[in-house]
Amino acid sequence: EDQVTQSPEALRLQEGESSSLNCSYTVSGLRGLFWYRQDPGKGPEFLFTLYSAGEEKEKERLKATLTKKESFLHITAPKPEDSATYLCAASMIKAAGNKLTFGGGTRVLVKP
Amino acid sequence: DAGVTQSPTHLIKTRGQQVTLRCSPISGHKSVSWYQQVLGQGPQFIFQYYEKEERGRGNFPDRFSARQFPNYSSELNVNALLLGDSALYLCASSLSPHGEQYFGPGTRLTVT
Repeated sequence: EDQVTQSPEALRLQEGESSSLNCSYTVSGLRGLFWYRQDPGKGPEFLFTLYSAGEEKEKERLKATLTKKESFLHITAPKPEDSATYLCAASMIKAAGNKLTFGGGTRVLVKP
Repeated sequence: DAGVTQSPTHLIKTRGQQVTLRCSPISGHKSVSWYQQVLGQGPQFIFQYYEKEERGRGNFPDRFSARQFPNYSSELNVNALLLGDSALYLCASSLSPHGEQYFGPGTRLTVT
């Protein structure tokens, strides 16, 4: 069964303390791996798409990487405004339509 | 440019009632997908429509139905509401059937 698992479930960081979030996937034929940021009560905000192992993408303090079994979201020198839930999702080649299979998310709290 | 819009923002219904949620995609986007997000979990795929045709259906009962209109907006209908249908309902649009999905703010449905 296709599955996406994120760890840790929650992460408390001091401002400036870099860390990494993990997204492991067990899917049959990955089309793409997506990262989203979600603030409380709001819809997910698109961050990155990764398509092949070895690919990396960066945006401000965030950097996403992809291997054949997992993806990492690195947060460098985070600020309080980086506090949010970060979701990863996989799109499979054989999935129905444009279905994204999401992990449970990592709640990140950055304290000043 | 306007993003994905959804209405209403919040909705309170009683068990057994029916509800209709609405979504307008980003201008130029022809694909709309619907997701259900229960508190503390990642979104779950319900439907995808592209060019007014159903392209994918998730593991939801027949009480859930949707359609897409000629202007690419979409409605999600849920009949015979259950307490377990309480969730944030998210709409996402994309340019192509397998393109990057951009989410709206969601409709918070509470069933009492």
